[in-house]
Amino acid sequence: QLQLQESGPELVKPSETLSLTCTVSGGSISGSSYHWGWIRQPPGKGLEWIGSMHYSGGAYYNPSLKSRVTISIDTSKNQFSLKVNSVTAADTAVYFCARRYAAASTGVHNWFGPWGQGTLVAVSS
Amino acid sequence: QSVLTQPPSVSAAPGQKVTISCSGSSSNVGDNYVAWYQHLPGSAPKLLIYDNSNRPSGIPDRFSGSKSGTSATLAITGLQTGDEADYYCGTWDSSLRTGVFGTGTKVTVL
Repeated sequence: QLQLQESGPELVKPSETLSLTCTVSGGSISGSSYHWGWIRQPPGKGLEWIGSMHYSGGAYYNPSLKSRVTISIDTSKNQFSLKVNSVTAADTAVYFCARRYAAASTGVHNWFGPWGQGTLVAVSS
Repeated sequence: QSVLTQPPSVSAAPGQKVTISCSGSSSNVGDNYVAWYQHLPGSAPKLLIYDNSNRPSGIPDRFSGSKSGTSATLAITGLQTGDEADYYCGTWDSSLRTGVFGTGTKVTVL
């Protein structure tokens, strides 16, 4: 059974870089049909799509975050990572990692599952 | 600000049915496939429906999805107390070239 687990600092100072890692177990990160993505949920708000990446290198980012976000994959460790630069209080959120299915036919197939438990990251001095 | 609109809350008694709408536009719901997620705060969100109406293994048939034009709907029949959660729709937006989620709907079992 595929499982994902986020890890990283719970507190980041304003203007610094938020870095999280997602460890995948029970399956390979190199599956051809799947991307690996990040989603976040600010306190009291809904889900926000951050971005996703395929192990071959193709990535998609939310345009509103694209200038500050980088997703990378380490197939040797079966992990993928998220970096958000120049954080502010608005980046305080629960961050989830998830496997994303992405394909195109008569429309785009796009869904996430399974998800990690999520990790709360606070931006504060 | 989400491009997919859901009602903030719906409620019904145990055993009854609720439906949750997800309203979008031609560039997202209209052109692409919709998924639905269940999220109990403090836990991992769970995929309930993918490709508009398909259920992953292990999801009971009390949960069903449909799509018509630029709107999608999640129906939950035989409502149970364990169904109390937040529900989100999600899809791809071909104009924005990014994934998008709905505003979320809280289901309350009376």
